[in-house]
Amino acid sequence: GDSVTQMEGPVTLSEEAFLTINCTYTATGYPSLFWYVQYPGEGLQLLLKATKADDKGSNKGFEATYRKETTSFHLEKGSVQVSDSAVYFCALREEKFYFGSGTKLNVKP
Amino acid sequence: DTGVSQNPRHKITKRGQNVTFRCDPISEHNRLYWYRQTLGQGPEFLTYFQNEAQLEKSRLLSDRFSAERPKGSFSTLEIQRTEQGDSAMYLCASSLEYAGSFGRTEAFFGQGTRLTVV
Repeated sequence: GDSVTQMEGPVTLSEEAFLTINCTYTATGYPSLFWYVQYPGEGLQLLLKATKADDKGSNKGFEATYRKETTSFHLEKGSVQVSDSAVYFCALREEKFYFGSGTKLNVKP
Repeated sequence: DTGVSQNPRHKITKRGQNVTFRCDPISEHNRLYWYRQTLGQGPEFLTYFQNEAQLEKSRLLSDRFSAERPKGSFSTLEIQRTEQGDSAMYLCASSLEYAGSFGRTEAFFGQGTRLTVV
């Protein structure tokens, strides 16, 4: 069946550091891939998406590339800010969404 | 604000009581999802609707859970005879599906209803 595996957290970085959060997936078909972000006490907000192999999704300085050969969709940002502190979820979608367990990011000033 | 709206935001109930949550999706969205999220975990699928039709229900979901979307607009999720294990955040999301879009559209989430069973 479909599933998403993402790196465990928490990830703690200093402001302006480079961020990578790893995500790999297993799917029976050709899913779309997403990153969502969740702030404390809130629902999930879409961060970026990619709908086919080699697509790059980007938003607010975050990027992720759909790699079919490695079944991966790693999230990257060149310079994190304190305001990026949140929980990040990788997800795939065929008929419905499958989510990873989330990676908490703490950014220190 | 025209996003997904969930009510109530918080619900505390005694074990054995019934609870009902409401979700109002984005108005033109024809697909509606319910997910459950426990602390430190990702959202877990419960069920989804295309318009008023319930297309899938998780096999992990007991018969105490039921959901409706009677006119293809708002939806309700009812839990009967609540148990402490039902304590979680219940998330609703909606998306717009159209011919040729299958599997590519994103879902928009509400802020969730946090259920605590005491």
